[in-house]
This record gives sequence, C-alpha cells and structure tokens, in this order.
Amino acid sequence: GESVGLHLPTLSVQEGDNSIINCAYSNSASDYFIWYKQESGKGPQFIIDIRSNMDKRQGQRVTVLLNKTVKHLSLQIAATQPGDSAVYFCAELMTTDSWGKLQFGAGTQVVVTP
Amino acid sequence: ETGVTQSPTHLIKTRGQQVTLRCSSQSGHNTVSWYQQALGQGPQFIFQYYREEENGRGNFPPRFSGLQFPNYSSELNVNALELDDSALYLCASSLTDEQYFGPGTRLTVT
Repeated sequence: GESVGLHLPTLSVQEGDNSIINCAYSNSASDYFIWYKQESGKGPQFIIDIRSNMDKRQGQRVTVLLNKTVKHLSLQIAATQPGDSAVYFCAELMTTDSWGKLQFGAGTQVVVTP
Repeated sequence: ETGVTQSPTHLIKTRGQQVTLRCSSQSGHNTVSWYQQALGQGPQFIFQYYREEENGRGNFPPRFSGLQFPNYSSELNVNALELDDSALYLCASSLTDEQYFGPGTRLTVT
C-alpha cells in the first residue's frame, strides 16, 4: 500500500549547523503534510504543516519544502541547537468524506553534537 | 504544552487482562484520535471519535474499542491483552486538520 517514509534513520548535526530531514510520500491524493518532533518520553509535538497548494512554508527556524513532482517533503532546521535533538516524523493526512487519519513515517533521529 | 492529557502515564498488565486508557482533549476540540506507537516506530492510527461517534478506524482488531464523552474526553479499551500490545498509546485532539498529541500512556504487557 501507499506509505510515508523517511530516507535517513539517524542524522548527526553539529550545533549551529543547518539540518535537513527528508521524507518521501507515495499518496499523490494527499493534500496536507505535517512535521512532528518527539522527545524521549513525550508525545509528538507539532512543528509545522504545509498544504499541497504550497511548495514552501517557513516558521521560526524551520522551513518545510514540498516537491509534488517527485513526492518529496523536507524539513530544514536553521542553526541547530541541542534542544533540537529528538526524533522527527513526517505525517500525511489521509482523508475520506468525513474524517482524516495521520499516516506517519518511521522517523529520523536527530543528534546534535557540540 | 498541547493541553491534551492522558492517564495513567505507565501501566503494566498481564496477557489476557483488559485495560482502559483515558484522554482529555484540548478545550474546544471535538475530535479525538488514538494511535499506537511501538518502540522505534511511527504512530499507527487506531480509530477516531467525533462528537461521541466512531467515524474512522485503522487496521486494529475489535478488541480495541473506545468511547467519547459529551465533554469530548475519550477512553481506549483493549481486551484480551497480547504481548504485542506493549506500546506507547497516544491520543490526539483536533478541531480542524491539525492534531495535537498528549504525552501518551506506556503500556507493558507481560
């Protein structure tokens, strides 16, 4: 079946550098994508979202890029900080007439080194 | 913080037992979704409740059931627990497409 997946299971980044986390999706009908951050022992925390009618959206230190041609999603974190160490998930909202479920990828562990 | 709370935080049960997990939604959110997250994996959708009715279900057996109350809080019930049910159970509340997660309940089945 169609799924959302991540290219890299672990990303090691030096403090102050920029991070890029990639995600591939295969459901061309999806029109809403979300990035979540999950720290150890906590639930997923909403970071940023993007709809399919956009190709870029910026937040505070984060940017999400959507390339519908190759079905690719990425999250860029500027000036990575130790507090950014976590597992990052991309999720795709799969909707029917009346409800929507999030389909998650496996996640990327980001480790920020000093 | 998302304003979504879950109880208990941790729970240990024996195979064959039954368990009830609870979720309190963010104020004003009328939709609650439940997810199961196995160790090292992404959350998997179990089901969703909207205004006290189940309106969507993932690939989970009937022994996974739920309720939503008039105040939009929710329960997840699992009967006849199996070892593979050991996981972090997450609830997420929403009013529109954005879903906000609680901290989860860590269930261990021995």
